[in-house]
Amino acid sequence: DAKTTQPNSMESNEEEPVHLPCNHSTISGTDYIHWYRQLPSQGPEYVIHGLTSNVNNRMASLAIAEDRKSSTLILHRATLRDAAVYYCILNYGGATNKLIFGTGTLLAVQP
Amino acid sequence: DTEVTQTPKHLVMGMTNKKSLKCEQHMGHRAMYWYKQKAKKPPELMFVYSYEKLSINESVPSRFSPECPNSSLLNLHLHALQPEDSALYLCASSQSFREFGYGYTFGSGTRLTVV
Repeated sequence: DAKTTQPNSMESNEEEPVHLPCNHSTISGTDYIHWYRQLPSQGPEYVIHGLTSNVNNRMASLAIAEDRKSSTLILHRATLRDAAVYYCILNYGGATNKLIFGTGTLLAVQP
Repeated sequence: DTEVTQTPKHLVMGMTNKKSLKCEQHMGHRAMYWYKQKAKKPPELMFVYSYEKLSINESVPSRFSPECPNSSLLNLHLHALQPEDSALYLCASSQSFREFGYGYTFGSGTRLTVV
């Protein structure tokens, strides 16, 4: 199984950018990199996903290393509402869209 | 409609009870999932349905019985549960299970307490 490694926790200040790292050294060529976040007492929420190229959407940007062994989720201006657990996940199984969650990064945002 | 709706939001049941969790989506998604999440742990995949057929059962005990009556509805039938089954049960859907790159939409979950 392709696995991801994330820091257990990170802190940020409000209105500053946040860079959340993820290592996935055993990624295969067909694995997409997904990011989800889970706010307290809610279900996970899709943030962004990508394969090889950097991706941007209204929530965040995803920067993927050239060798694809790591990626970074970028929140451009953190708000208090961004405090959540952020999960970096790879498609699992080679032929299915199965998502297996790792332990994630707990992001705290200070005012 | 871009939501996955789960009912009930909270459920307390005894170990001899039979209850059901319900999940509904109207996005035309053809894959639906059940996850279980214990406190301060990541969600764990339980079942995957693709085109209304069970594709994956992650070795879940038989006291959990999934059902997909149609493409919009997913149920999880519960019987003779144990207190350690108390958890947040999450339903999710995605465009497809056999094609890459589709994001999941999750419901807000059912908080289950077994007494």
